Amino acid sequence: DIVLTQSPALAVSLGQRATISCRASQSVSTSSYNLMHWYQQKPGEQPKLLIYDASNLASGIPVRFSGSGSGTDFTLTINPVQADDIATYYCQQSRELPLTFGSGTKLEIK
Amino acid sequence: EVQLVETGGGLVQPGRSLKLSCVASGFTFNNYWMSWTRQAPGKGLEWVASITNSGGSTYYPDSVKGRFTISRDNAQNTLYLQMNSLRSEDTATYYCTRGGTHGVMDAWGQGASVTVSS
Repeated sequence: DIVLTQSPALAVSLGQRATISCRASQSVSTSSYNLMHWYQQKPGEQPKLLIYDASNLASGIPVRFSGSGSGTDFTLTINPVQADDIATYYCQQSRELPLTFGSGTKLEIK
Repeated sequence: EVQLVETGGGLVQPGRSLKLSCVASGFTFNNYWMSWTRQAPGKGLEWVASITNSGGSTYYPDSVKGRFTISRDNAQNTLYLQMNSLRSEDTATYYCTRGGTHGVMDAWGQGASVTVSS
């Protein structure tokens, strides 16, 4: 199984940049696609897709969210961070079955 | 607007069965793969099952293979998850998800809570 590793928490100040990382135990990229996706989950709510295929913004998601990376190393960036961004962020790979998620990074405000 | 509404959750004893349903609306159901993903209390997300748009193929992780069965009724726009031989570790909120391209989960239901306890 592909294991995705995320830091448990990140504290940033409002208006600053947040960089959340996700490292895969093996490559999740093909010759054409980077099969890494990012979700936001606020307390008491279902997850919501933010970024698909590493860098594509999902419909309705603000442009302050962006994604990058390839191979085994991926990053979700929020710039600038707003109070509404307090949530847990999960990465997920679809390069192979079983589909797997990272353990989540909880974004906190300093 | 895409909507996924799960029902069927509840309290069940270990070893018993439970069937979840998910009614979809706002999109052409039979054009999409569908999946179930769960989240144990205070824990992260775990993929549970996927089914192709026709229902002809299904996929499971080892943790539920042989115990859970995903199915769909395209005429009724409904996805199902039959859960047998339930264990305490199956206690979780179960989310119905729509499969976008490349295995992404681009829409999520509000979740159905399943508690396995005697």
